[in-house]
Amino acid sequence: EIVLSQSPATLSLSPGERVTLSCRASQSVGRALAWYQQKSGRAPRLLIYEASNRATGVPARFSGSGSGADFTLTISSLEPEDFAVYYCQQCASWPLTFGGGTKVEIK
Amino acid sequence: VQLLQSGGGLVQTGGSLRLSCAVSGFTFSSDDMTWVRQAPGKGLEWVSSITPGGTTTLYADSVKGRFTISRDDSENTLYLQLSILRAEDTALYYCAKKCASSWCHDSWGQGTQVTVSS
Repeated sequence: EIVLSQSPATLSLSPGERVTLSCRASQSVGRALAWYQQKSGRAPRLLIYEASNRATGVPARFSGSGSGADFTLTISSLEPEDFAVYYCQQCASWPLTFGGGTKVEIK
Repeated sequence: VQLLQSGGGLVQTGGSLRLSCAVSGFTFSSDDMTWVRQAPGKGLEWVSSITPGGTTTLYADSVKGRFTISRDDSENTLYLQLSILRAEDTALYYCAKKCASSWCHDSWGQGTQVTVSS
């Protein structure tokens, strides 16, 4: 099973700041990695697929990068609606696995 | 695209339950589908996936032999039969549609709560 480690667990930031979230896999997943945003009480929303492709309707301030075992989700300038929990998911092998999440909270 | 979930509720340890996910807005019969769950205050956990026509079904080790995923393409509905339920199965269960090109998930249901109590 591929284990995904996300860091940090929590980030306290202000609107307008740049955010960099990390996701590290226990073995290479190539570019088969997705990022999701989840707001309290809501279903996850796909942001990024195949490491760097924005899903339909996702604002350009969200970008993904990386390959192999190290991945990054960047939010160029935090908007008030971006405060949420972010999860990575590997799509390379079974079982599918998710990282433990990074909570981005208002400072 | 819409995924509308139903079923769920409170059940005793060892009991059974069936979750449903009625979809619209895409060609259900051609799409792979997945169930994901989220225990209270915890992260996301993949539970099970099914390919078109039900040709292939996959399960997390934690539910293998107890849960059964199925689909009715004539009714555009995905199911998850939960049996021999344990306290650790208590979670919010989501159905999700697989992305076109990889096993990410681009559309999600609203979630349905399953609570297992002794």
